[in-house]
Amino acid sequence: GQNIDQPTEMTATEGAIVQINCTYQTSGFNGLFWYQQHAGEAPTFLSYNVLDGLEEKGRFSSFLSRSKGYSYLLLKELQMKDSASYLCAAMDSNYQLIWGAGTKLIIKP
Amino acid sequence: DTEVTQTPKHLVMGMTNKKSLKCEQHMGHRAMYWYKQKAKKPPELMFVYSYEKLSINESVPSRFSPECPNSSLLNLHLHALQPEDSALYLCASSQDQGSGANVLTFGAGSRLTVL
Repeated sequence: GQNIDQPTEMTATEGAIVQINCTYQTSGFNGLFWYQQHAGEAPTFLSYNVLDGLEEKGRFSSFLSRSKGYSYLLLKELQMKDSASYLCAAMDSNYQLIWGAGTKLIIKP
Repeated sequence: DTEVTQTPKHLVMGMTNKKSLKCEQHMGHRAMYWYKQKAKKPPELMFVYSYEKLSINESVPSRFSPECPNSSLLNLHLHALQPEDSALYLCASSQDQGSGANVLTFGAGSRLTVL
């Protein structure tokens, strides 16, 4: 079957760095997405990886290892507004998104 | 215009009512989606329209009926819903359906409460 695993909840301190991990098993693979979702709001796109390696975009970076079925989202210089859920989603061979349950990130002052 | 607009933002309806959720995008996207999201759960795909034709129906009960009048509009008609259908209904669009870098742009959602 197809499956995405990510931690349910993480806590970090303002100004620090946090890494949110995601492992996936899909039928075929066409890329890995990260979305941010604030409570009661719609998800917004953060990153897309289809090749191995690190993609950096400002304070956020995303990493992919296809051989390990593994990705992480790295958030630097954490701000209070980064408190949100972070959703990992892998695209299978039919271009369908398989969603993880999301990681709720709590930022403390 | 890089937005997906959904109306209404909030909807309360009884189990015998008929109502509709509406979604509009003007980004020239050819794929449009309806998702259902319960609290603390990921979005759950309901329907996909590609080039105005229904391409995916994820075994959704017939009390939910999608409609795509044109390439910019997507409706979800609701009839005889159950209380367990209460959720956030998200519309999304993407450039097309069958490609890798298929970034979804979501609307703000319609929060539905069924009494």
